[in-house]
Formats: sequence, structure tokens, C-alpha cells
Amino acid sequence: AQKITQTQPGMFVQEKEAVTLDCTYDTSDQSYGLFWYKQPSSGEMIFLIYQGSYDEQNATEGRYSLNFQKARKSANLVISASQLGDSAMYFCAMRERIYNQGGKLIFGQGTELSVKP
Amino acid sequence: DTGVSQDPRHKITKRGQNVTFRCDPISEHNRLYWYRQTLGQGPEFLTYFQNEAQLEKSRLLSDRFSAERPKGSFSTLEIQRTEQGDSAMYLCASSITGGQGGVETQYFGPGTRLLVL
Repeated sequence: AQKITQTQPGMFVQEKEAVTLDCTYDTSDQSYGLFWYKQPSSGEMIFLIYQGSYDEQNATEGRYSLNFQKARKSANLVISASQLGDSAMYFCAMRERIYNQGGKLIFGQGTELSVKP
Repeated sequence: DTGVSQDPRHKITKRGQNVTFRCDPISEHNRLYWYRQTLGQGPEFLTYFQNEAQLEKSRLLSDRFSAERPKGSFSTLEIQRTEQGDSAMYLCASSITGGQGGVETQYFGPGTRLLVL
């Protein structure tokens, strides 16, 4: 069965420093995708970054990068140069049968990130 | 901005009443998803549509819940005879077949917060 585990309920980071948010997953599918979303207190889920199971390189999007270790089934989000506006809940999510098909996302329980000035 | 919109943003109702939520997806998106998020948890999948066809329903979607997408554009989610356990954030997301590199990304609306008294 699909499962996403985020073991850090809360994290603190100093402004301008880097932080890693952990995510491990479980799936028996070979074609899957991993997504990270940010949810500020307003409630909207904001898409940050995506990594496909067949992608050979780790995904990067601006200050966000994904440390993908397929053998360990982990997909950690790295935020560089943290900003106060990065304070939010962060969710890791997975979808199986990722290519050219629709389907539900399975989410982890989230990590609340607080950036200190 | 032509993102996903949801209406209403907040709804307070009494137990036993019916409520209906609306979601307008990004205009060219053919897939539409509904999720439910309770406090401190990640979103949980409820159902999804491809155009007007409802392709998958979660076991979470009891008989009191019904969703429609009659013309393949906006969607409605109705909850009949609401219960206090229905109190949650109801999130809508949309995506387009194919997407970038054949991978669809789901983009979320701001959500509807439901409180059942």
C-alpha cells in the first residue's frame, strides 16, 4: 500500500540558513512521483517541486531542491537561504502510475517549519 | 489570476443540514480532485473527475457525500445531513492531462472550511 511518512512534526531554522525536511515513502509501483507542497496559515496548498521515479537527477526549483534516494525510498526537501515567509506547513505527497494518467495524491502528515529572524 | 477558486471560503452549519461547495478549476484543466483535510493531518483524497466522468471515489466518501461535474468545468460537492465529524477543510485541485513531460501536477484552490455545530 502507498504510504508517506514525515517524522518531523515541527522544525525551527534560523533565517538565511538551510533546512532539510524529511520524507520517506512506500510503494510497490515502479512509476511514481513525489511532490512537495507548502501550506501557509491561509490554507492554500502551493506546489513547490516534483521528482519522478525515473528521473536520474535530483529536482531543483529556485531555493528548493529534492534529495531523492530511491534505494532508501526517501525524498527530502532542502530549502536553502530560509526566509521568514517560508514559515508554513510542508507536505510530502506521492502518486503512483505517474506518467500520462490521473490519480490521487497520498499525503504525509506534514512538517511545520518556523523560520526565526 | 486564473487559479483554482472555491466558494464559499467558510461555512458554518448546524448538524443535520445540507451544504454544497463549489470549485472552479483552472480553465483548460480537464481533471478535478476533491480532498478533505482535518486539523493536524495531511489532505485525504475523496474523489476525482476527468471531464464530466467521476473516475474514482474513496471509501471516505459515504452515501451522504455526492460530487458532480456536469459540464466538465466546475464541480460541486454536497454533504447531506452533516455531522460534527464532517468539520474539516475541503480542498479542490485541478490538473491537465499530459502536463509537463507527461506528468500532471495538481494545483489547489484556497479551500472551504466547514464547521458543523
